[in-house]
Amino acid sequence: GAGVSQSPRYKVAKRGQDVALRCDPISGHVSLFWYQQALGQGPEFLTYFQNEAQLDKSGLPSDRFFAERPEGSVSTLKIQRTQQEDSAVYLCASSWYDRYQETQYFGPGTRLLVL
Amino acid sequence: DQQVKQNSPSLSVQEGRISILNCDYTNSMFDYFLWYKKYPAEGPTFLISISSIKDKNEDGRFTVFLNKSAKHLSLHIVPSQPGDSAVYFCAAITQGGSEKLVFGKGTKLTVNP
Repeated sequence: GAGVSQSPRYKVAKRGQDVALRCDPISGHVSLFWYQQALGQGPEFLTYFQNEAQLDKSGLPSDRFFAERPEGSVSTLKIQRTQQEDSAVYLCASSWYDRYQETQYFGPGTRLLVL
Repeated sequence: DQQVKQNSPSLSVQEGRISILNCDYTNSMFDYFLWYKKYPAEGPTFLISISSIKDKNEDGRFTVFLNKSAKHLSLHIVPSQPGDSAVYFCAAITQGGSEKLVFGKGTKLTVNP
């Protein structure tokens, strides 16, 4: 079956530009997560949805970051007025349910480069 | 303040030998631990996990050991194969808290033929 897909795979933005990153989770997965992975680091949590409800956004680094999942499936991570420090790989993950033991399945990521 | 630490950025082993990847954590509230494997240009894939009520979990060539008193876990791969060459991330989670995974920085394993 299809895994988690993300688009675009690569994005180059000029500083100050707005970007939108898309995540298509595995069909039927209730939980959806966004992580940010800087070069040489492990993924860091950004935000978590259960269906369309955003239950945790404690990892979003600033109010320039905004995520939504309006119909409980596809999610979009938006970054306004991008800065160079936003350059990273943005990973999306989904899981069947909201129990912490449930395996999170990751997409390939979107590599964002802000010039 | 890094709550999950993988102090070895890289590890190189010969094919057929044992690979041991280590992970330390500081948050005593963590009660479930996972290892993820990542190839270049791909997302992490789940490998094996262990609950804090256990001290060992085995799946084929992969075994994870947990020492709660030392806040230490390790992943053993026996025998190592060239296809195991990847970056391995240790991750932890807290029951009843947010569902977020807290990752270490990863260890790059190279298995030489």
